[in-house]
Amino acid sequence: EAQVTQNPRYLITVTGKKLTVTCSQNMNHEYMSWYRQDPGLGLRQIYYSMNVEVTDKGDVPEGYKVSRKEKRNFPLILESPSPNQTSLYFCASHLQGEAFFGQGTRLTVV
Amino acid sequence: KQEVTQIPAALSVPEGENLVLNCSFTDSAIYNLQWFRQDPGKGLTSLLLIQSSQREQTSGRLNASLDKSSGRSTLYIAASQPGDSATYLCAVIAGNNRKLIWGLGTSLAVNP
Repeated sequence: EAQVTQNPRYLITVTGKKLTVTCSQNMNHEYMSWYRQDPGLGLRQIYYSMNVEVTDKGDVPEGYKVSRKEKRNFPLILESPSPNQTSLYFCASHLQGEAFFGQGTRLTVV
Repeated sequence: KQEVTQIPAALSVPEGENLVLNCSFTDSAIYNLQWFRQDPGKGLTSLLLIQSSQREQTSGRLNASLDKSSGRSTLYIAASQPGDSATYLCAVIAGNNRKLIWGLGTSLAVNP
């Protein structure tokens, strides 16, 4: 089954404690991206990757890092999380303009 | 700068009604437009993708249309059911990075 898998689904952490949200897709798509969703602001792109070892900033990249060492994985790294990064995060994999999303990760930073 | 607007923000209808959700965008230079459904606290389920060269797409009781020249898309839901209650989001795919630009959604409640 074609899918995008994010882990964990829920995470509560403390300010400053590094964390990684994993994202994996089994569709061999070259293009992957991360979004965050906040009430009243909608979904905004954090980072995207057009292919292995090719990443670039989206609209709200501050405080985040990504890597794309292999095609199927695109982890999101928060080196020093802060409360303003409390949000619902989505990973997406794209093919010819159609986006496929993971189930989301609800992150709370206290 | 591309902006996407969805009207209305919220809609409550009795079961069985046909309804239309609206999505407008400011720049007609898009690759595709995609409609999604989101249940409270849950993920994003893709409903329909309309490529820029297409005028409409249908899936079951759902029909989405696209008019690039006027910057509009509509999602038509026939014979609505309580299970259709969710937030419906539209997103245009634009730019060299194929970024999705989102509306804020229409929250739909279908009452039994």
